[in-house]
Amino acid sequence: QVQLVQSGAEMRKPGASVKVSCKTSGYVFTSFAITWVRQAPGQRPEYMGWINPDNGNKHSAQNFRGRVTLTTDTSTRTASMELKSLRSDDTAVYFCARVIMGGSSWFIDFWGRGTLVTVSS
Amino acid sequence: EIVLTQSPGTLSLSPGERASLSCRASHSVTGNFLAWHQQKPGQAPRLLIYATSSRAPGIPDRFSGSGSGTDFTLTISRLEPEDFAVYYCQQYGNSPWTFGQGTKVEIK
Repeated sequence: QVQLVQSGAEMRKPGASVKVSCKTSGYVFTSFAITWVRQAPGQRPEYMGWINPDNGNKHSAQNFRGRVTLTTDTSTRTASMELKSLRSDDTAVYFCARVIMGGSSWFIDFWGRGTLVTVSS
Repeated sequence: EIVLTQSPGTLSLSPGERASLSCRASHSVTGNFLAWHQQKPGQAPRLLIYATSSRAPGIPDRFSGSGSGTDFTLTISRLEPEDFAVYYCQQYGNSPWTFGQGTKVEIK
C-alpha cells in the first residue's frame, strides 16, 4: 500500500535551518510528484511547492522562494524539504503529499502524517 | 491568488444526519479543479473528492461533491461516527494552490 513516512518532530532556533524527509513506498516513485504543504497552529494549510522526481523539475510558492529547497533521492525513494532562515512564524506541521500528474491538472491524492517543526529561542 | 472561504466554521450534527459544507472562491476556479480533504487529529489528511465531484478510490458514496465556478459543496448524505472531522476544500486549477480555512463537523 502507498505510504509516505515523514521524519520526526524538530526544534530549531530562529535563523537556523531544518530539513524534513518523506520516505515513500508502495508505488512507482518517479510516476508522481511530491508537494509540501504546511499548517501553522489554527491556520489553513499553505502550499509551499512541488518537485517531480522523474526529471527534477520543481516549483516553489512565492512566499518561500529563496528559503525553501526541495529535493528527491530516487535510490531511496525519499523526498526532502529544507527551510532556511527560520522565524517563529515558521512553527507549523509540515506535510508531504503525493501528486497525480494528470494531463490537464495535477492534484494531491495521498498525504503523509506531518512533521511538527517548532521555532523558538 | 484565489481565496477560499468555507462555511460554516463548525457544523454540529448527529450521526445519520445530512451535512452540507460550502466552499466559495474569490475568483472562478479554472477547470473546476477543486478537491475536498478530510483531516482527523494525529492522522494524515485524506483526499475525498477531486475535480469537484469525483470520489477518490475507497471513499464511500455517502460523500458527494458539486458546484462550479466559485461555489462548491461537499455533502455527506448520512453521517457515520467516523465522519466527524475537519474538512478542507482546496483549489488546484490556479497557481498557487490554496486551501479553505476548514469546516469542523462535530457530534451534536
